[in-house]
Amino acid sequence: GAGVSQSPSNKVTEKGKDVELRCDPISGHTALYWYRQRLGQGLEFLIYFQGNSAPDKSGLPSDRFSAERTGESVSTLTIQRTQQEDSAVYLCASSTQGAGEKLFFGSGTQLSVL
Amino acid sequence: QKEVEQDPGPLSVPEGAIVSLNCTYSNSAFQYFMWYRQYSRKGPELLMYTYSSGNKEDGRFTAQVDKSSKYISLFIRDSQPSDSATYLCAMKQYGGSQGNLIFGKGTKLSVKP
Repeated sequence: GAGVSQSPSNKVTEKGKDVELRCDPISGHTALYWYRQRLGQGLEFLIYFQGNSAPDKSGLPSDRFSAERTGESVSTLTIQRTQQEDSAVYLCASSTQGAGEKLFFGSGTQLSVL
Repeated sequence: QKEVEQDPGPLSVPEGAIVSLNCTYSNSAFQYFMWYRQYSRKGPELLMYTYSSGNKEDGRFTAQVDKSSKYISLFIRDSQPSDSATYLCAMKQYGGSQGNLIFGKGTKLSVKP
């Protein structure tokens, strides 16, 4: 596709359930990022993948959060045992290698934990 | 002190006004400065990108970086209702982790016809 695609666009879940969020980056973009945007807050970095290198997981807030990426394609962000404070928009972005300033974002997944 | 400070607004201006949006920062190692625009229920899109100090102009938009004051600005001339959005500043160190863009909280702008 032409842009970064994220699914689902909205997800409502119950506290304690696991959720999976999907990101399909722009074709040819080797770098992929996950950010979290809480209401009224800036973007919070979660994790970064670059090609086949080890991911930078330094932004993951707890061990309930994990992400995978196969090669240079789709990525999945998993949140286990969701808590109400996990409610936020989860944004995925991609970029070409070495252009970590010029990110292309998807429209995000709005996660609501009841 | 947060690394990047940005007034969340909201800021409301009449159509045709000049808009000034600003961020301050504390980390003198920041070298790359960006402005992203985010429409409601959309992801941010890169609007302006500046390396180090100085000005950059693109149509109605001008980005300014003053590293001595640790202050960046985005000016919008002849503002239009279509400029109504949240504007986020973002910064990164040279050689820092590619993933580590630091974003401001964003300023919500409304341009009234």
